[in-house]
Amino acid sequence: ETGVTQTPRHLVMGMTNKKSLKCEQHLGHNAMYWYKQSAKKPLELMFVYSLEERVENNSVPSRFSPECPNSSHLFLHLHTLQPEDSALYLCASSQLGDGPYEQYFGPGTRLTVT
Amino acid sequence: KQEVTQIPAALSVPEGENLVLNCSFTDSAIYNLQWFRQDPGKGLTSLLLIQSSQREQTSGRLNASLDKSSGRSTLYIAASQPGDSATYLCAVRPVNWGKLQFGAGTQVVVTP
Repeated sequence: ETGVTQTPRHLVMGMTNKKSLKCEQHLGHNAMYWYKQSAKKPLELMFVYSLEERVENNSVPSRFSPECPNSSHLFLHLHTLQPEDSALYLCASSQLGDGPYEQYFGPGTRLTVT
Repeated sequence: KQEVTQIPAALSVPEGENLVLNCSFTDSAIYNLQWFRQDPGKGLTSLLLIQSSQREQTSGRLNASLDKSSGRSTLYIAASQPGDSATYLCAVRPVNWGKLQFGAGTQVVVTP
């Protein structure tokens, strides 16, 4: 247990569905991240939130919509996805500022788009 | 743009052998480097974090070295066990931001 939880762990959705991924961190961190991990590719950073403000959006398509209502919760809203969006979606948290500040990852949501 | 490379992409060793995993990065202006372990279909578990001012870090059977000037880090796992089978990823944090840049990972199989 890393202190970062994600739900659901597995999700199968059609291209016309709308669903949301949820992440919660219990570590008191001030930054949260969404990553996408596709087969045989390095982790891709999607979004970063610091103090509930989005500070990074790595050219992610608008069919992915993040939401950070407070420093402990992060959502990724999904709509009209494509089959190539099937991947493992990982949430992470860390402290930002001067210091080592390791990133701690959740177990991920395995998403399959049919 | 920082590029992180891990070689080899896959590695298979018999139980008891020492493992040597390599990570190289193109921009030496890093704040720290982190090694992670990932089991199939699971999230990442942080193994070791080395600050840019450090040369190595140790935890149990794991030892990670950092040579910032040459852009390299090596993770050593002594006396490997089947439970060490996983994918190992390295990630660097640049000096100006907290955004980690990941390598593609080395998939390790330790055979009994």
